[in-house]
Amino acid sequence: DVKVTQSSRYLVKRTGEKVFLECVQDMDHENMFWYRQDPGLGLRLIYFSYDVKMKEKGDIPEGYSVSREKKERFSLILESASTNQTSMYLCASSLIGGGQETQYFGPGTRLLVL
Amino acid sequence: GENVEQHPSTLSVQEGDSAVIKCTYSDSASNYFPWYKQELGKRPQLIIDIRSNVGEKKDQRIAVTLNKTAKHFSLHITETQPEDSAVYFCAARTGSLGRLYFGRGTQLTVWP
Repeated sequence: DVKVTQSSRYLVKRTGEKVFLECVQDMDHENMFWYRQDPGLGLRLIYFSYDVKMKEKGDIPEGYSVSREKKERFSLILESASTNQTSMYLCASSLIGGGQETQYFGPGTRLLVL
Repeated sequence: GENVEQHPSTLSVQEGDSAVIKCTYSDSASNYFPWYKQELGKRPQLIIDIRSNVGEKKDQRIAVTLNKTAKHFSLHITETQPEDSAVYFCAARTGSLGRLYFGRGTQLTVWP
């Protein structure tokens, strides 16, 4: 069974704080993704990574950065948290192609920025 | 990039009725179309997918159809049950890296 875990289920931070969200997968997947989920807006891709130290911008990268130093771990960083970054953050992982492209999601981190 | 539109945003049906959710995509090179179900408070999970070389796929009460010419695909749920109540997301993949472009989701409510 694929397991994707996220470091926190709930997080409360202050405006201007640096925030780290961590995601770990145990299935040796090449791809890892960070999404933001807001009501009515669906799943919006922030960043993804297809290999260690590689990253690609998604649709809403502004205000975020990522780090992938090891294959199993993908971190999302909010350099200076703002109230409009209050949201649910979902991590996902998948293999690349070969008919095994299913994305497996983590449980999500609900972030509140005050 | 790819643009996926999903309709309707909300759908209410009586238990036992059928439900249909439709999505359109913009990039004719898209070749893989999964559907995810997200129950309240839970993570999205794949329920069915279809590739561009197939027109229809069924798995018990759910089916997906793909019309490449019109660039649209649909999810069909028959004999709906209250446990089908959830948000459903369609998605499309273009290219080889595995990035998915998601629709905005459909909140399906099945009334007993």
